[in-house]
Amino acid sequence: DIQMTQSPSTLSASVGDRVTITCRASQTISDWLAWYQQKPGKAPKLLIYKASSLQNGVPSRFSGSGSGTEFTLTISGLQPGDFATYYCQQYHVYSTFGPGTKVDI
Amino acid sequence: QLQESGPGLVKPSETLSLNCTVSGASISTDGYYWGWVRQPPGKGLEWIGSMYYTGSPYYNPSLKSRVTVSVDKSKNQFSLILSSVTAADTAVYYCARHFIAAAGGFFDYWGQGTLATVSS
Repeated sequence: DIQMTQSPSTLSASVGDRVTITCRASQTISDWLAWYQQKPGKAPKLLIYKASSLQNGVPSRFSGSGSGTEFTLTISGLQPGDFATYYCQQYHVYSTFGPGTKVDI
Repeated sequence: QLQESGPGLVKPSETLSLNCTVSGASISTDGYYWGWVRQPPGKGLEWIGSMYYTGSPYYNPSLKSRVTVSVDKSKNQFSLILSSVTAADTAVYYCARHFIAAAGGFFDYWGQGTLATVSS
């Protein structure tokens, strides 16, 4: 099984901040990684796939990078609607999600 | 759009059955599986299983022995059956469109989710 970890688990930030979340895989997954945003009581929303490809309609302040075992999600200029929990997901073999990173004020 | 439906309460050891109705797209679209992801209250996400419209299933190995995903092309629906449930299966269950890539895939459209509680 491929295990995913994320850091930090919680991140306190302010509107306008640049925020970076790290996701690590227990073995190499090439660039088969996606990022999701989830707000309370809502379904996850796909932000990034293939490590750095922006899903249609997602603002360009979201960006992803990395390959192999280490990946980052960066939000450049945090907006009020960005306070949420972010999950990474590997899909190199089957599908495994990370434990999530909560971004709060 | 995807919309889940099914009973919200299931007794331990019984079977959980959920449906997902797809609108605005054909379930017979090439390149996409149709799958289920769950989230226990206050916890993270777990992929359960997915199915292609031709009938090729794809299951999480940790749940495979208890899971069946099926597709009904005539109704543009797909379904989840989870047998021998316990309290650990209490979760919000999401249906989602599963774009297959590599030996997995990502989920680009999601239903709103439905809470299934296992309790006597």
